[in-house]
Amino acid sequence: GEDVEQSLFLSVREGDSSVINCTYTDSSSTYLYWYKQEPGAGLQLLTYIFSNMDMKQDQRLTVLLNKKDKHLSLRIADTQTGDSAIYFCAESGATNKLIFGTGTLLAVQP
Amino acid sequence: DADVTQTPRNRITKTGKRIMLECSQTKGHDRMYWYRQDPGLGLRLIYYSFDVKDINKGEISDGYSVSRQAQAKFSLSLESAIPNQTALYFCATSDLILGEQFFGPGTRLTVL
Repeated sequence: GEDVEQSLFLSVREGDSSVINCTYTDSSSTYLYWYKQEPGAGLQLLTYIFSNMDMKQDQRLTVLLNKKDKHLSLRIADTQTGDSAIYFCAESGATNKLIFGTGTLLAVQP
Repeated sequence: DADVTQTPRNRITKTGKRIMLECSQTKGHDRMYWYRQDPGLGLRLIYYSFDVKDINKGEISDGYSVSRQAQAKFSLSLESAIPNQTALYFCATSDLILGEQFFGPGTRLTVL
């Protein structure tokens, strides 16, 4: 079945780069997404990548997609304390539903 | 104003009580979803609806029911709440093209 996995926790120092990784199983996904959840709030779309792309850059964010290994990563350059949140990757499954990973808690130390 | 609203935002109830969580959206989307979030488990889909006459079970629908009263409204019911239904519940909507989902602020439900 469809499954999306992430590590649960990442701690970085302010100013460093953060890399959050995700693996997925559904090779038919059209889009892959990164969502951000700040404390006490719902999820908000951060960025997405179309499945025929290898990389997408958007200001401090870089998304890398390795379709062969079904691996997705999100790199945040110059990580700030405001980036502290839970980050979810998600794939668009075969039935047009999103399948979410377990979420990675990013803690940014000042 | 928020595009996806949920009421109530917080609810404490007792085992066996019937609870309804409501969701409204002003985005004009046909697709709506209910998820629950538990620590370490991410978001799990309870029910989803692709239009007013369409209701589908998600991966954890047991103990829940839904009603799609209109394009803009999708409510989730717990007929007889139990403690392991204590969780954060999110409603979401999506468009047809990109599939991006827009989330409400969540309802924190505690069942004692």
